[in-house]
Amino acid sequence: GEEVAQTPKHLVRGEGQKAKLYCAPIKGHSYVFWYQQVLKNEFKFLISFQNENVFDETGMPKERFSAKCLPNSPCSLEIQATKLEDSAVYFCASSPTIVSGVQPQHFGDGTRLSIL
Amino acid sequence: DQQVKQNSPSLSVQEGRISILNCDYTNSMFDYFLWYKKYPAEGPTFLISISSIKDKNEDGRFTVFLNKSAKHLSLHIVPSQPGDSAVYFCAATDSGTYKYIFGTGTRLKVLA
Repeated sequence: GEEVAQTPKHLVRGEGQKAKLYCAPIKGHSYVFWYQQVLKNEFKFLISFQNENVFDETGMPKERFSAKCLPNSPCSLEIQATKLEDSAVYFCASSPTIVSGVQPQHFGDGTRLSIL
Repeated sequence: DQQVKQNSPSLSVQEGRISILNCDYTNSMFDYFLWYKKYPAEGPTFLISISSIKDKNEDGRFTVFLNKSAKHLSLHIVPSQPGDSAVYFCAATDSGTYKYIFGTGTRLKVLA
């Protein structure tokens, strides 16, 4: 598609439950990025993929968070044993193959994760 | 440690006047800078970018200026329109990692 599609829009989980978020990048884009927005305005980089391979995972918490981008499937971000502090809006972005310089990332509308 | 800072949380401007949004950064490895606009409950939308080899880039009503020695960039919107009212984020990246480091945003209100 022509837009980054994130599902669900809103996800509510009890503390300790698992949460799984999905992202369909723009067709033909080879890079996928996940960001976490907390406190309304702070974006934190989590992980990026080049096709199905992890490109940069320096922002991923070592425990409980995992992500995948498999061929012919939406990318996913999974949080095990959720904590209250995981409450945030999670944005996915994609960009085309980077030949030179930097290509702008195109963002989805986010998934709001609420941990109760 | 905040590597990208937007020190003005909000800005109000009259319709038709110039809006100037500012952004400072600390990491000299950044070589590409972008501005995004965000409405509530939506994702950020790309506006304009600039490479560190340039000091100005213009696209319609939007111009971005980069001062590398001061580690400062600004976004000028002329003329400002009520539809420009949104939160504006600057972002910086280096062409090795591609991950964005965002500022904390400036809420622009354009008054009719």
